Amino acid sequence: NAGVTQTPKFRVLKTGQSMTLLCAQDMNHEYMYWYRQDPGMGLRLIHYSVGEGTTAKGEVPDGYNVSRLKKQNFLLGLESAAPSQTSVYFCASRSGGGYTFGSGTRLTVV
Amino acid sequence: GENVEQHPSTLSVQEGDSAVIKCTYSDSASNYFPWYKQELGKRPQLIIDIRSNVGEKKDQRIAVTLNKTAKHFSLHITETQPEDSAVYFCAASSGYSTLTFGKGTMLLVSP
Repeated sequence: NAGVTQTPKFRVLKTGQSMTLLCAQDMNHEYMYWYRQDPGMGLRLIHYSVGEGTTAKGEVPDGYNVSRLKKQNFLLGLESAAPSQTSVYFCASRSGGGYTFGSGTRLTVV
Repeated sequence: GENVEQHPSTLSVQEGDSAVIKCTYSDSASNYFPWYKQELGKRPQLIIDIRSNVGEKKDQRIAVTLNKTAKHFSLHITETQPEDSAVYFCAASSGYSTLTFGKGTMLLVSP
């Protein structure tokens, strides 16, 4: 039982490049989330999903897209990376109580 | 939408002292209030939570209190230890919707 697994753990992108962050959970949770964490800003919700095939916008969705084709996977895409997207990205899943977080992806856009 | 304010942003205590972190929320429909601890470079981890039908919950040295009328809730850590040093986040949600987090409190416990 691995919980929530994020890949990759680190990535450096050039401005304008694209990439996909993968989140996988093995707890059969319906709800999955993508947050970004910046110094002094706490955790801000990017997008979330309440079940397979569903997605919804969070607080800071601009510049990101998501997909939930399989219940256990939640993908976060950056189509054209910008320096403002330099951050630590956390995926989380939830069944009824609190979130279980992944270990995070540290993304730097240069 | 929900707005969660957290204070203080930093808190320094001596080992053995108590620490209190306070949060307020704006949405009266919120009914679930978890607290997370995040050590440097690690993921946030749930340490305690409380639902709106309960006023207080304790787990060893950690307790959370909730005042629904005033829309605020607090984390209390007694007999602090150096390993309690971390960033603590409060959060609030209604039903099964998303969690809104406070901006965090950096707790430093000095030996």
